[in-house]
Amino acid sequence: EAQVTQNPRYLITVTGKKLTVTCSQNMNHEYMSWYRQDPGLGLRQIYYSMNVEVTDKGDVPEGYKVSRKEKRNFPLILESPSPNQTSLYFCASSSWGTPNLFSGANVLTFGAGSRLTVL
Amino acid sequence: SQQGEEDPQALSIQEGENATMNCSYKTSINNLQWYRQNSGRGLVHLILIRSNEREKHSGRLRVTLDTSKKSSSLLITASRAADTASYFCAMGSSGAGSYQLTFGKGTKLSVIP
Repeated sequence: EAQVTQNPRYLITVTGKKLTVTCSQNMNHEYMSWYRQDPGLGLRQIYYSMNVEVTDKGDVPEGYKVSRKEKRNFPLILESPSPNQTSLYFCASSSWGTPNLFSGANVLTFGAGSRLTVL
Repeated sequence: SQQGEEDPQALSIQEGENATMNCSYKTSINNLQWYRQNSGRGLVHLILIRSNEREKHSGRLRVTLDTSKKSSSLLITASRAADTASYFCAMGSSGAGSYQLTFGKGTKLSVIP
């Protein structure tokens, strides 16, 4: 089954304790992205990656790191989490190119989400 | 950066009625997409309309795009209780070898049986 898998789904941690949220897709997608969702703010993009070894900042990158060493994986790293990073995080992926009826290009497939609480 | 605004923020209708949600954005786009989210779950893609298209249909969904006004609308006809969810527009913009999909804040739709 084509899917984006995030882990962990739920995590409670404390300020300053480094954590990694993993993301893996099995669709051979070039494009991957991380979003955070907060009440009243919608989804905001943290980082995205156009392909292996190519990453770029989204709208809210502060406090986060990413890497794209393999096409299928795009982990999100919080080096020193703070309470303002308490949020619902989504990883998503898509193929890249001109969207048409058949290619599905640029249409995101989302993971189930990771709910992170930083105390 | 690109920002999207949906209107209304919340909408409550009776089953069988039509639901219309609007989206406005600020900068030029390559495509505009609509996604649906059931409470706290991952978003699911509904429909994509390219910048050179004006209207698109998919089942009970109808999307329009007016690039001169930088706005889009999503119409759900003959709504069902199962349509209760949050709906997000997302603006796809590309340039200089990069691509970003930026989401609005969403419209929360409640369909009352």
